[in-house]
Amino acid sequence: GESVGLHLPTLSVQEGDNSIINCAYSNSASDYFIWYKQESGKGPQFIIDIRSNMDKRQGQRVTVLLNKTVKHLSLQIAATQPGDSAVYFCAELFSGGYNKLIFGAGTRLAVHP
Amino acid sequence: GAGVSQSPSNKVTEKGKDVELRCDPISGHTALYWYRQSLGQGLEFLIYFQGNSAPDKSGLPSDRFSAERTGGSVSTLTIQRTQQEDSAVYLCASTDYPSSYNEQFFGPGTRLTVL
Repeated sequence: GESVGLHLPTLSVQEGDNSIINCAYSNSASDYFIWYKQESGKGPQFIIDIRSNMDKRQGQRVTVLLNKTVKHLSLQIAATQPGDSAVYFCAELFSGGYNKLIFGAGTRLAVHP
Repeated sequence: GAGVSQSPSNKVTEKGKDVELRCDPISGHTALYWYRQSLGQGLEFLIYFQGNSAPDKSGLPSDRFSAERTGGSVSTLTIQRTQQEDSAVYLCASTDYPSSYNEQFFGPGTRLTVL
């Protein structure tokens, strides 16, 4: 069933364009920052993470940037495809014993052909 | 291999009734997490299990909520005397902490509707 909300901010992009999804975090003590993708009716799926002592990490078609000065995280998706349409969540991970995830509110990415 | 499974996928109940939600983690995963996702909200941490123990229950919203895990595997989240504000999607995740450090594997969730 549908598992994402109706009032999330939405980023609309054309297929083939690059997408940038932003996230502000609050806790400087986080060990890792992680991006999850949630498609309709499914649970969140891990995309990419970045350790707190790094500024940039690249994956396949995705890049995560971390600016600790302003507590800002971004996910860049290159050559966005219709299959990228989903809700994207950033999450902070606190590794104090059990890897507790604190999720942000989410951004809906809508890819138009 | 099989992922995290949850049952039921949908549950409709009347206010005041008790409900049980089940999570089957990935085999061998030692850590299990419950989250709640309300409409228009992000995911809210509820409880964490390492083995059968729950060292962190800080996210449970009230004493109507409880959870247990048996055999280091299946977990059940119980909500007593359900209220309309309990309506949400309840998600379970597992990981083989500490060897699988960052990636939590999520199930599809149980959508709970309290009438």
